[in-house]
Amino acid sequence: DQQVKQNSPSLSVQEGRISILNCDYTNSMFDYFLWYKKYPAEGPTFLISISSIKDKNEDGRFTVFLNKSAKHLSLHIVPSQPGDSAVYFCAATGAGGTSYGKLTFGQGTILTVHP
Amino acid sequence: DSGVTQTPKHLITATGQRVTLRCSPRSGDLSVYWYQQSLDQGLQFLIQYYNGEERAKGNILERFSAQQFPDLHSELNLSSLELGDSALYFCASSVGASGDYEQYFGPGTRLTVT
Repeated sequence: DQQVKQNSPSLSVQEGRISILNCDYTNSMFDYFLWYKKYPAEGPTFLISISSIKDKNEDGRFTVFLNKSAKHLSLHIVPSQPGDSAVYFCAATGAGGTSYGKLTFGQGTILTVHP
Repeated sequence: DSGVTQTPKHLITATGQRVTLRCSPRSGDLSVYWYQQSLDQGLQFLIQYYNGEERAKGNILERFSAQQFPDLHSELNLSSLELGDSALYFCASSVGASGDYEQYFGPGTRLTVT
């Protein structure tokens, strides 16, 4: 039962252009969403998050959009840089509920930014 | 460097054996989480401890157990190992217990069961 899905296993983008990574979820109890970035041989690193009371959160080149009715979120990276090449994981949790700190992750999307 | 340390980095062992993975959280963090990343399952939540007490449990096998000690480090014990237990095991830590606290991940322990 895949409650968080990233349907694109990989994405290739030219340096300077926009990268858009997508994520869908099925559990309506999720109310907090996060994006993590992972380089090989390292643990995931937190990028940006959004609460279900918002529809957009921005941090520098990174913006996360949440569409609750569609149970869909996306991460926009503008402009994309070669150093952004990594695996990106979408994660969800029912923050503050009985799920406590449990994060449910998607399968990840490999982003490659070409110079 | 996230500040979370995990030992060992690599572990190779045989089926039926038992191993212990160790995690030291970031200074000041009270929550410790264990995740398993296998090729076909992605990152799966195993268990969470907060200040020594179990707080949340995922699909952790009965052959697996964990604990958090008074100094807040944590150990994940895997017993009666099977080939399918081969995976990357990540530990993460956070200040608080709920999911809206940022979780900092360690570099992982790669377990290979032969």
